Amino acid sequence: GAGVSQSPSNKVTEKGKDVELRCDPISGHTALYWYRQSLGQGLEFLIYFQGNSAPDKSGLPSDRFSAERTGGSVSTLTIQRTQQEDSAVYLCASSLVGGNRAFFGQGTRLTVV
Amino acid sequence: QQQVKQSPQSLIVQKGGISIINCAYENTAFDYFPWYQQFPGKGPALLIAIRPDVSEKKEGRFTISFNKSAKQFSLHIMDSQPGDSATYFCAASTPRDSSYKLIFGSGTRLLVRP
Repeated sequence: GAGVSQSPSNKVTEKGKDVELRCDPISGHTALYWYRQSLGQGLEFLIYFQGNSAPDKSGLPSDRFSAERTGGSVSTLTIQRTQQEDSAVYLCASSLVGGNRAFFGQGTRLTVV
Repeated sequence: QQQVKQSPQSLIVQKGGISIINCAYENTAFDYFPWYQQFPGKGPALLIAIRPDVSEKKEGRFTISFNKSAKQFSLHIMDSQPGDSATYFCAASTPRDSSYKLIFGSGTRLLVRP
């Protein structure tokens, strides 16, 4: 596709369940980022991939959060044992090289009930 | 050090007016300052960006003014239109951070009245 694609668009899950969020970056983009946007807040960095490796995981809020990227393309963000405070929009972005002109997907709105 | 402070939180402007959003930072290693526009239900979209070697950059109705000594930068939207109503985020990144991750301001919700 032409842009960054994320799925699902919306996810409602029960507290304590695990969820997987998917990001399909723009073809050829080696850098991939996950950000979190809580209601009425700015965007908070979670993790950065360059190719399949994640040299910067400094934004992951707890060990319940993990992410992987395969084939230098698709990335999955996994949240284990979800808590209500995990409710947010999770945004994925990609760029040709790190940083400049990062293109964002539409996000996955996660609601933990 | 890593924060970017954005103001105002919300802004109401009449059609045809000038919208001004301000950001301030502390980290002098920041060297890339983009502005993103976000409509409800959509991801942020890059609007315009500047590096600290210039004091102003203009693209159509959008202008970034950059004051390196004051560590401040601002977005000016000239001839504001109702279609500009959205949330605007400033951001910054530094090459010293190999991830080039963006540090975002808290956002400004702009409403342009017809």
